[in-house]
Amino acid sequence: EIVMTQSPATLSVSPGERATLSCRASQSVSSNLAWYQQKPGQAPRLLIYGASTRATGIPARFSGSGSGTEFTLTISSLQSEDFAVYYCQQYNNWPPLTFGQGTRLEIK
Amino acid sequence: EVQLVETGGGLIQPGGSLRLSCAASGFTVSSNYMSWVRQAPGKGLEWVSVIYSGGSTYYADSVKGRFTISRDNSKNTLYLQMNSLRAEDTAVYYCATGLGIVARSEGAFDIWGQGTMVTVSS
Repeated sequence: EIVMTQSPATLSVSPGERATLSCRASQSVSSNLAWYQQKPGQAPRLLIYGASTRATGIPARFSGSGSGTEFTLTISSLQSEDFAVYYCQQYNNWPPLTFGQGTRLEIK
Repeated sequence: EVQLVETGGGLIQPGGSLRLSCAASGFTVSSNYMSWVRQAPGKGLEWVSVIYSGGSTYYADSVKGRFTISRDNSKNTLYLQMNSLRAEDTAVYYCATGLGIVARSEGAFDIWGQGTMVTVSS
C-alpha cells in the first residue's frame, strides 16, 4: 500500500498571500495524483488531477506540480473561500487508493 | 444534471447490517468506476471499495469480507451492503466517480454525493 504524507498538518496564511502544501508518496505514483478541497459539512471537491491539471471550474490561482514521490499544491493569492482542508490522493497503484491525512489551511 | 444522492445511513448496533444506496442521475453508473469513500468524525478520507465498469470489485482491507459493493443498472444505483458492523465503521459514507476527461485518470473523483452518516453504537 502506498502511504501518502502531507505537510504541514496546519498552515496559517494571510488572505492575499501564497500557500504551498506538500504531499509525499512512499513510492512513485508517477503523475497519478489528485488534490481535493473540503469545507466543513461538505463533500470533497476535486481541484487537481494528473498532478497538474485543474478540474473544470477551478480558478487559476490553484496549481499543482510534481511527479514521482513529491508533489505541491500552490494557491497563489488566498481568498477567504480557500480556507479549508486539503487532501492529496494517489491513484497510480490501486486498489487500495490512498489519501494523505490532510492539511488544514487556516487564516493567519 | 449530474448528481449522486446517498441514502440508507443511520444508527445501528455493533454486529448489525445496513445497506447504503447511491442514486445517480445524468450519467450511467455501469459505464464508470464507482467508489465508496468514508470519513470518520473529525478524521480524513478513507477509500472503502470500488466497482469498475466491467464489474470487478475491490475492497479496503478494513472492510474486506464484511462489505459488498454492487450496482443495479436498471435503477442506475450503486449499493454498499455492510455486515458485521463495528464501532470503527462509524463515518460519513460518500459515493464518488470520475466523469468525462477525469474518468480517463481511472482514479480521480470529480463527482461526489453529499454523504450519508452511519453510526455504529449500542
